[in-house]
Amino acid sequence: AQSVTQLGSHVSVSEGALVLLRCNYSSSVPPYLFWYVQYPNQGLQLLLKYTSAATLVKGINGFEAEFKKSETSFHLTKPSAHMSDAAEYFCAVSGTSGYALNFGKGTSLLVTP
Amino acid sequence: GAVVSQHPSWVICKSGTSVKIECRSLDFQATTMFWYRQFPKQSLMLMATSNEGSKATYEQGVEKDKFLINHASLTLSTLTVTSAHPEDSSFYICSARDNTADTQYFGPGTRLTVL
Repeated sequence: AQSVTQLGSHVSVSEGALVLLRCNYSSSVPPYLFWYVQYPNQGLQLLLKYTSAATLVKGINGFEAEFKKSETSFHLTKPSAHMSDAAEYFCAVSGTSGYALNFGKGTSLLVTP
Repeated sequence: GAVVSQHPSWVICKSGTSVKIECRSLDFQATTMFWYRQFPKQSLMLMATSNEGSKATYEQGVEKDKFLINHASLTLSTLTVTSAHPEDSSFYICSARDNTADTQYFGPGTRLTVL
């Protein structure tokens, strides 16, 4: 079975500051890991995914995440926050690429001027 | 990129009625589609896996007779909420697995409100 834990239900950063959203996973098989962003009343947009290739994954909108097996982590970062980054972010895991995902509880990112 | 649509985007119905939600893969074939529900301020929970031409697989705790899933073609899966009640009000999101790309794409979601 696979699961993810997102640390911090709410994160607040200043515009221009580093964004760090934490995600730890648990998986009995090599995991496929994903980060999604959700804006209010909208569906999910894929930011990036890890599928056992490079451990540092670059995504859209300047986001990236690093897979660290030793720490069972897949934290999402962005060097400089923009106001438009304010949204809900979900980390998700699957045991097989393209199959059902188990989502974390989400982290709400607030960006202040 | 691949597109998944859902219809309707929102629906309001009276308690006791049934509501059908469609999920379509617009430019790829999807043998497998997934249905999730999301309560306000919460995460997505997998309800069922829909397989073209066969019965859906429901997650534990999801009533199959209440949430009817039909996947009659490689581009369409439907979720019917039967005898809807206010507690069924939620955001329903589908996703479709692209057979060739081995990647999952999400629809924009359907907001169901049961009065």
